[in-house]
Amino acid sequence: GDSVTQMEGPVTLSEEAFLTINCTYTATGYPSLFWYVQYPGEGLQLLLKATKADDKGSNKGFEATYRKETTSFHLEKGSVQVSDSAVYFCALPNSNSGYALNFGKGTSLLVTP
Amino acid sequence: DSGVTQTPKHLITATGQRVTLRCSPRSGDLSVYWYQQSLDQGLQFLIQYYNGEERAKGNILERFSAQQFPDLHSELNLSSLELGDSALYFCASSVGDLTSGRTSSYEQYFGPGTRLTVT
Repeated sequence: GDSVTQMEGPVTLSEEAFLTINCTYTATGYPSLFWYVQYPGEGLQLLLKATKADDKGSNKGFEATYRKETTSFHLEKGSVQVSDSAVYFCALPNSNSGYALNFGKGTSLLVTP
Repeated sequence: DSGVTQTPKHLITATGQRVTLRCSPRSGDLSVYWYQQSLDQGLQFLIQYYNGEERAKGNILERFSAQQFPDLHSELNLSSLELGDSALYFCASSVGDLTSGRTSSYEQYFGPGTRLTVT
């Protein structure tokens, strides 16, 4: 079935470092792809999305490009801040389950001053 | 603020009991999804309702049930609770126009969650 695999964490970075969180997907067709972020003690927030191949989603300095050739949707940010510390989830809608989201296991990011 | 509300925020109950979790979707959203988040299972889809009708089921136990009311709010009922049911329960809403094929309608907005602790 449709699924995503994302790199295991935790990831610890210093402030202003470059961030990459890898996500690859398996799907029939070309579903939309999403990154969600969960700050401590909160629900999931939609961070960015891409709806077709070569689309680049961006928000709050984060970017991810939908790459059909490598079935990837890696999350990047050029300069992380302490406030970016959170858990990041890659997700895609499962056409066999009413388009419910299938999530990766989540990658915990800790940014230190 | 996603516009999705969930009550209660926290719930502590004993094994064998029954609880009801409530979710109000964003204004205009017809689809409601319920998810369970636990440390060992991660985020798992439980059940989806669209405009009052059940549309899809995921890994939902028979002890769990849900419904969506005419005003589109939804309730998740958990009965005969076990220690292993302790988790965060999220609902999410979506415009959910499943017939149009517009992929942009599949983004979901999550509520703040209900933390259930079974003792």
